[in-house]
Amino acid sequence: SYELTQPPSVSVSPGQTARITCSGDKLGDKLTSWYQQRPGQSPVLVIYQDMKRPSGIPERFSGSNFGSTATLTISETQALDEADYYCQTWDRDTEVFGGGTKLTVL
Amino acid sequence: QVTLKESGPVLVKPTETLTLTCTVSGFSLSDAGFGVSWIRQPPGKALEWLAHIFSNDEKSYATSLKTRLSISKDTSRSQVVLIMTNMDHVDTATYFCARKPGEGYNDHYFDSWGQGTRVTVSS
Repeated sequence: SYELTQPPSVSVSPGQTARITCSGDKLGDKLTSWYQQRPGQSPVLVIYQDMKRPSGIPERFSGSNFGSTATLTISETQALDEADYYCQTWDRDTEVFGGGTKLTVL
Repeated sequence: QVTLKESGPVLVKPTETLTLTCTVSGFSLSDAGFGVSWIRQPPGKALEWLAHIFSNDEKSYATSLKTRLSISKDTSRSQVVLIMTNMDHVDTATYFCARKPGEGYNDHYFDSWGQGTRVTVSS
């Protein structure tokens, strides 16, 4: 079965840029989405089709996907960005989520 | 405004069957392109996709759980139902339903999620 690998945690200082990676076999050949999940809340779509932002998501959030790695980039990170982030793709009629990355804004 | 809301039992016993309902509004389950998935999240763990039902009533299931799952919908009631048999402690999780906004290759993402319903499996 297809697997997506994310680092368990990423730390960033306020105002700096956070980068969260998601790795999978030939992931660049697929489309990847990203979700933000704050504690006790439902996931929220922040990036879809590798790099598109839904309405209401700040421009600080951007995405890329090349080779075997997709990356979620959060520029000018704020305290409210502290959350778990999940990548997701599709393989053989199955939706696949990564293990999640806890973003800490120190 | 698109909303999804999960409902179902809070507690089930091992070996019992779980039935969850997702009631949607703001779109129709018969509209071409819209489908609904069930996704779960054990406490402190990652999201896990379970099943999906398409607008044309086609279904897909997670390979590892396929024998235990059944997804269906009642378009007139705007509801999607998930049945999971032979529940075990490891099935303790928050169960979410979520909408896919299309059914093409580019549409494998979830643009709206329900609040989730927590299910505990315990005797």
